[in-house]
Amino acid sequence: DIVMTQSPDSLALSLGERATINCKSSQSLLYNSNNKNFLAWYQLKSGQPPKLLIYWASTRESGVPDRFSGSGSGTDFTLTISRLQAEDVAVYYCQQYFSIPYTFGQGTKLEIK
Amino acid sequence: QVQLREWGPGLVKPSETLSLTCGVSGDSITSAEYWGWIRQSPGKGLEWIGSVYRGGSTYYNPSFRTRVAISIDTSKNQFSLRLSSVTAADTAIYYCARDLRLAVVRGVVTGWFDTWGQGTQVTVSS
Repeated sequence: DIVMTQSPDSLALSLGERATINCKSSQSLLYNSNNKNFLAWYQLKSGQPPKLLIYWASTRESGVPDRFSGSGSGTDFTLTISRLQAEDVAVYYCQQYFSIPYTFGQGTKLEIK
Repeated sequence: QVQLREWGPGLVKPSETLSLTCGVSGDSITSAEYWGWIRQSPGKGLEWIGSVYRGGSTYYNPSFRTRVAISIDTSKNQFSLRLSSVTAADTAIYYCARDLRLAVVRGVVTGWFDTWGQGTQVTVSS
């Protein structure tokens, strides 16, 4: 199985600051045949259904604010929230879909300082 | 838009079978090819349990393969999860989701989860 490791485990920032969450995979998620990275990002808020934010490592899901962006390739990926807002408090997970079984990172808890 | 809702017992005894159902509303369950179950437990984060194809074929995480069964009932627009021989380690929030398989790697179809249910807490305890 591909192991996904996120860092940091938790993050506390002030409103308006930039949040950076990292995700590292135990093997490359870049498929040479289509030059795409098989990685998605999710946001989990208490009491709400989890929300897909990003797929193909950098493609924003419809309706997701543009302050959320994904980057990276191969084994190292980043989710960036450019200007932190109160409603961004959540736990964020990365997921690889390069191989079955799908695996997720352990999650990064984002809080407001 | 498609909405999903999970239901089932919130408390299951050790060694018994956990049974959950996910109802799909807003569209036919056959409008998508795959539907899946994922759980979130305090110690292990998110874990994919398995998925079912609209035609009934199933795909399981090997970690659960010996005790999991996922089925689909297109007439009721729902799909179900059964997890047998549960222990305290199976205590988790269980989510159903649409498994949107728009990726192909070496002939294997994979993808991400674009729509999720609210989740339902299941506690395993005597």
